Formats: sequence, C-alpha cells, structure tokens
Amino acid sequence: QSALTQPPSVSGSPGQSVTISCTGTSTDVGSYNRVSWYQQPPGTAPKLIIYDVGNRPSGVPDRFSGSKSANTASLTISGLQAEDEADYYCSSYTSTSTPVVFGGGTKLTVL
Amino acid sequence: QLQMQESGPGLVKPSETLSLTCTVSGGSISSPSYYWGWIRQPPGRGLEWIGSIYYSGSTYYNPSLKSRVTISVDTYRNQFSLKLASVTAADTAVYYCARDEDIAAPGTALDLWGRGTLVTVSS
Repeated sequence: QSALTQPPSVSGSPGQSVTISCTGTSTDVGSYNRVSWYQQPPGTAPKLIIYDVGNRPSGVPDRFSGSKSANTASLTISGLQAEDEADYYCSSYTSTSTPVVFGGGTKLTVL
Repeated sequence: QLQMQESGPGLVKPSETLSLTCTVSGGSISSPSYYWGWIRQPPGRGLEWIGSIYYSGSTYYNPSLKSRVTISVDTYRNQFSLKLASVTAADTAVYYCARDEDIAAPGTALDLWGRGTLVTVSS
C-alpha cells in the first residue's frame, strides 16, 4: 500500500478539465510544500510536470497546475488533449524514516 | 542537453547481486546543484525511490532497502551505480536513474530520467 493515496483512475473528454487528488498526512503533504507530480505515458519513463506544489518545469504547458489544501494535493489538467492520456504519480517529502513517498498512481483516460 | 542511460544485466538469479550503472552525458555529474537517484517500478505497479547520491559520495537510501543497497559515484567516468544484494523475484522491476534537483530534499524532484532498464530476477 502506497503512503500517498490517489484515485486509481479518472477520465475526461477533450477540452474538459480533470483533477487528480493525492492524500497524505501531517507528516508529509500536510506539513511540506515539496509535492511533485509526474506524468508517465505508456511504455515511457516518468516526466516531472509539477514541483513544490504548483511550480512547472520549463516546457510544461500551463494547462497543468498544482495546488494543496491541508493533507491533500491536487493536479488539475485543463483543456484535456489526447496526448495527456497517461499515468500520473504524486510524491511528497516526508518527516518519517524515508525522505520521499509516492502515491500509487492514477490512470487518466481521455475519452 | 543532458541525457542519462542505464546499463547492466537484464537477468539476475535469486540471491545474487543486481548491478546497474547510469552514464550521464551532456553535463557533469560533479555539479553541486544536483543529487543523482535510482527509482524502480515493478511491472504494472507504482514508483519506489531507492536512493540518491551526491557527487561527493553522500547518500540517502530508502530504509526498506537500505540493508541491501549500495549507491556509488564515479566522477571521472561521469557515472553512478546501484548494487542491490540478495535479490528475490520481488525485485523484478524497471530500474530508472534520474537527476535529483532538490539537494535539500533528495528524491522529491526528479527532473530528468533515463529510459529505464528491465531487470528480471529468475533462475
């Protein structure tokens, strides 16, 4: 069982917006702004799309945005495109014995 | 453009040691701005951070693997390596190397990844 909880799957139609949640605890998401999101299309390596809760690396479209409230972080993808279909993983710094924990991943289907 | 490439055996026998190397090109592994990490992904499952290393040799490991893992760095060859001892079928996974950009919190912002290499543990 992963330390961070994500929904197994979400879906949306092209042009719509979807939000993926990532729920942790006060020892990780709730206490630190070191939350990242990764996009992993099938058969490829993960790609960092959000770091420090809401910052985008260079080259990542502004359709991708991140936020956090209490123990839950969220990734919102607006203006869905077919190419957004992928698995999405969150991660967070944690004060427990390991410095980072991942969520179990969410499969985004573009209908 | 910095690139990273994993290399090593694709098949390891149970109880033996898994050994992988990540070669960094287009940039220096001795940059003070980054850690360098290993992450794995069992088939059909999620990501697990294994550990990260600084060019000086300072390391952070996942406690669940710490007793079996060694990560080392070779600045002359611009490479870093992973050794995982006493492997079992549960260690079968795609192993990725990645650049780790938050040196204050290793593992939390992996901004460049290799393509990954599948390692199967089987006799």
